Amino acid sequence: GAVVSQHPSRVICKSGTSVKIECRSLDFQATTMFWYRQFPKKSLMLMATSNEGSKATYEQGVEKDKFLINHASLTLSTLTVTSAHPEDSSFYICSAAGEGLNIQYFGAGTRLSVL
Amino acid sequence: GDSVTQMEGPVTLSEEAFLTINCTYTATGYPSLFWYVQYPGEGLQLLLKATKADDKGSNKGFEATYRKETTSFHLEKGSVQVSDSAVYFCALARNSGNTPLVFGKGTRLSVIA
Repeated sequence: GAVVSQHPSRVICKSGTSVKIECRSLDFQATTMFWYRQFPKKSLMLMATSNEGSKATYEQGVEKDKFLINHASLTLSTLTVTSAHPEDSSFYICSAAGEGLNIQYFGAGTRLSVL
Repeated sequence: GDSVTQMEGPVTLSEEAFLTINCTYTATGYPSLFWYVQYPGEGLQLLLKATKADDKGSNKGFEATYRKETTSFHLEKGSVQVSDSAVYFCALARNSGNTPLVFGKGTRLSVIA
């Protein structure tokens, strides 16, 4: 099946720094990518939907200036957590969908810990 | 809006026991239904799916049938193994591909030898 690579898998940073997470589709063109956040013992919550070449659509309650999403090419989307704080510590996971694919493919996720 | 409700965990079973994880959904129309599995330290993997009423998805001994009349998609396995220990998520999507998934809260399964 299709492969989605997410990097890094784990990151620890100091409060106030910014962290960039990459999501790449390795063998297909991802016209749409989704970013989810998973809180401990909770389900995955959609943060935003990004289509290649256009601005991301954010879900209600998600700060677009805090979580910057870029989908500049058909194989790469990035999520930047700006000025991270401890409450941003979470598991972030991306998924990608492409033309002709009838399911989404998920990356392995990034565990962010902000000290 | 659309929603998915699945049974609360954790679920602890002995090896070779029968597994059922209940999942019901609320949505208009005919969404596609999915079960995803998350093994410790890993991302989500698609376990099985069904795209229309009465379809049965199956994979690795797991099965789930899309029941429109009861709006359910319960996951079953006849004989679980220790390696099945993971978190299982039920999810729906309005269309199969380019729409976001709506997930249930997940059910943690622990299988003991």
